[in-house]
Formats: sequence, C-alpha cells, structure tokens
Amino acid sequence: DTGVSQDPRHKITKRGQNVTFRCDPISEHNRLYWYRQTLGQGPEFLTYFQNEAQLEKSRLLSDRFSAERPKGSFSTLEIQRTEQGDSAMYLCASSLRLAGGPTDYNEQFFGPGTRLTVL
Amino acid sequence: DAKTTQPPSMDCAEGRAANLPCNHSTISGNEYVYWYRQIHSQGPQYIIHGLKNNETNEMASLIITEDRKSSTLILPHATLRDTAVYYCIVRATIKAAGNKLTFGGGTRVLVKP
Repeated sequence: DTGVSQDPRHKITKRGQNVTFRCDPISEHNRLYWYRQTLGQGPEFLTYFQNEAQLEKSRLLSDRFSAERPKGSFSTLEIQRTEQGDSAMYLCASSLRLAGGPTDYNEQFFGPGTRLTVL
Repeated sequence: DAKTTQPPSMDCAEGRAANLPCNHSTISGNEYVYWYRQIHSQGPQYIIHGLKNNETNEMASLIITEDRKSSTLILPHATLRDTAVYYCIVRATIKAAGNKLTFGGGTRVLVKP
C-alpha cells in the first residue's frame, strides 16, 4: 500500500506523560500536514511542512506540541505533559507541490489517524 | 478562507442520486470549492474541486452556481459505502493564503437500503 501511514493507530496514556506519533507520507510528496479532530467535529489544522521546513503553525499548536520532519520524509508529532483535552484523533496528510507556480490546488491525501486517549 | 454552511445531516436511498448543498456566499475570486468525505474511523478522502465550471470525475459531480455563492455535490448513484460525513471547503490557492484545509461541521449522509 502506498498511501499515508501513521503509527500508532491508538495510544492511551496518563495525564502528564509525553507521547510521539509518526507519519509516513506518500513517497514523492513534498508537503506534509498535521490536523487534530475531536469527536463530532471536523479536522483542525495544526501545522505543515514543505520538505523539512515547517512553514505554518496554528495557534492550536501550544508550546507542549512540537513537530519535526528532519529529512523531508517522515514526520513526528510530540506532545509533552499531555492533558485530557489533548484526547483526539491526530491526522496526517501529504500532497505534492509542483515547483514553478504560484498556486497550489493539489489534493491532500490523509492517513488513517492516531487516536489519542489521555486518562 | 471563506466560511461554508452545510446541512448537518441528510438521508439518501441506495441507488438514488444524493444532492449535497453548500453555501459559500463570501467566496472570493481566487478561492476554489473542495469536497472531501470522511467515512467512519478513516481519514478524510478527496472527492472533487472546482473554481467556476461544473466538474465531474469518477466519484461525483460538482455544480457551482454562476455567482459562485453556492454549490452542490452530486453522488449519482449512492451506495451504502457512500455513508460518510461530507465536507465542503473553500480554499484560496494563492501563495500568501497558506495551504491548510479549513473543515466545518460537514453533512452527515446516511445511505439507506
């Protein structure tokens, strides 16, 4: 399967613990996005990378959250000192940004998500 | 990105066409209309997008009104597997606008046998 993969699919942790999620995008995609989705709501944008550069961060991404994409391939999202309000589905998506044009209307391909439960 | 308004839910009979409306009255000239859907326990899936003209692909058709203030996604022959939440998203595609998708509440579509 050559789609976006995320690991783990489910994570249960206690409040105050640190967690790290991994996303592997579609191999030729240079853009990678993280979203968060709480129950009954649509996904909310957190951050995105073009290659290894983190180009935009949402206000939702507090100091406890950090995302990296060190080699421009896979990405990790770490949450430090988890809180119960962090319980959500964390979705990763990737897209291909073609060089040379001012616009980007390429579709984003989403992974299955990592469901985090903070007890 | 402009705000969209969708009905929270709708039912559809299997085999019939499903017409999903979306209002985006504040859309601007450089904003595209995108549709994604999310089947239970999966990530969102791209369906179709358009700017001014009607669009059709293997999944659906997108009808955009002439004033671009509303659109309709048409699933021509709904199947049980089309049961999902459908999101209408308006997205600017100029560099300064960034690249995020802004999801609203979507329409929960239930296809019934």
